[in-house]
Amino acid sequence: GAVVSQHPSWVICKSGTSVKIECRSLDFQATTMFWYRQFPKQSLMLMATSNEGSKATYEQGVEKDKFLINHASLTLSTLTVTSAHPEDSSFYICSARGGTHEGPQHFGDGTRLSIL
Amino acid sequence: SQQGEEDPQALSIQEGENATMNCSYKTSINNLQWYRQNSGRGLVHLILIRSNEREKHSGRLRVTLDTSKKSSSLLITASRAADTASYFCATDLQGAQKLVFGQGTRLTINP
Repeated sequence: GAVVSQHPSWVICKSGTSVKIECRSLDFQATTMFWYRQFPKQSLMLMATSNEGSKATYEQGVEKDKFLINHASLTLSTLTVTSAHPEDSSFYICSARGGTHEGPQHFGDGTRLSIL
Repeated sequence: SQQGEEDPQALSIQEGENATMNCSYKTSINNLQWYRQNSGRGLVHLILIRSNEREKHSGRLRVTLDTSKKSSSLLITASRAADTASYFCATDLQGAQKLVFGQGTRLTINP
């Protein structure tokens, strides 16, 4: 149980393109979803927390207009990297948590984004 | 800044040996969690230990928590080549719904 599916797993696109990444909880209702960014050989950096039906809470230093997050249902959250540039190239990972605020997070397999 | 610091940053041992990783944190927590990440993949939850617990076991995993020292350790016994991965501790902070991850330990098990 507690499966999270993230798509796409790999994206290469030109500078200036907007890229949408989907995160779905397949067998549970995700009241909260999280979006992380990870650089090679480094830890996860939380970008934002989204609760279903409300605006995402962004971490300090993360541009809201750059990284658009939508959490329209209890099973789907999307991250759109708008007008992507090479410096946005990274590994993006989503996670989801069910009803309790103190349980584990369930992670997708990540999306490797490469901007040329 | 990151809440958790882990050591060692990298650990390389022979198959069959035990691997110990340590994690320290700074503020009060609800619980502490350990995750594993294979290269290029997402994280897999291993074990959660609550702030009022001192030790927890799951298969070959043993986790300890010392809230007075704000530290935790993860012990993997009888390591296998398939245990090669990065291991992260994550603290579930009081008053927040997010996890804060440590820097991770890259574990290599040599056959």
